[in-house]
Amino acid sequence: KQEVTQIPAALSVPEGENLVLNCSFTDSAIYNLQWFRQDPGKGLTSLLLIQSSQREQTSGRLNASLDKSSGRSTLYIAASQPGDSATYLCAVKVGTDKLIFGTGTRLQVFP
Amino acid sequence: DTGVSQNPRHKITKRGQNVTFRCDPISEHNRLYWYRQTLGQGPEFLTYFQNEAQLEKSRLLSDRFSAERPKGSFSTLEIQRTEQGDSAMYLCASSLEGHLEAFFGQGTRLTVV
Repeated sequence: KQEVTQIPAALSVPEGENLVLNCSFTDSAIYNLQWFRQDPGKGLTSLLLIQSSQREQTSGRLNASLDKSSGRSTLYIAASQPGDSATYLCAVKVGTDKLIFGTGTRLQVFP
Repeated sequence: DTGVSQNPRHKITKRGQNVTFRCDPISEHNRLYWYRQTLGQGPEFLTYFQNEAQLEKSRLLSDRFSAERPKGSFSTLEIQRTEQGDSAMYLCASSLEGHLEAFFGQGTRLTVV
């Protein structure tokens, strides 16, 4: 059974810091991995998608990497801003075409 | 197209009542998914459709839950005889066929009192 774990569960940093969020999964048989952002009480916003054959994807200040063989992904946020404060979720797509989510990392960036 | 749309955004209901939620996916997307998210947890898969066919249902989806996508466009999720444990955010997502990006709606927050 696929399980997704995110570490840390919560993170509080001053503005301007570079930070790394971690995601691990137990079964390497995935089709892709997707990082989402969720603001309190809201839906999910897709940030980055990495196909299983890819190693990384970049969008602006965000960079996500994937090491399928070791079951790990990282989301790197450069020069963090207070507007980055949210919960970040990673999810893997498995063979039955559903996403399996981690429990998220709650990020707070203070001025 | 403005993305995945869900209605209502919030629903408060008394225990035992039936509720129905609607999801309108991105127009060209033929895959539609329902997830449930409780406080502090990641979303959990409930069911998904390819066009009008319901292809998979989670064991989380008890007999009180039913989902439809009658014409392969919008979908409804109905919960009968609601219980307090049904209180959660219900999220809908859509994607094109294949292992492509899933786009989520804003969710429907259900509170059962």
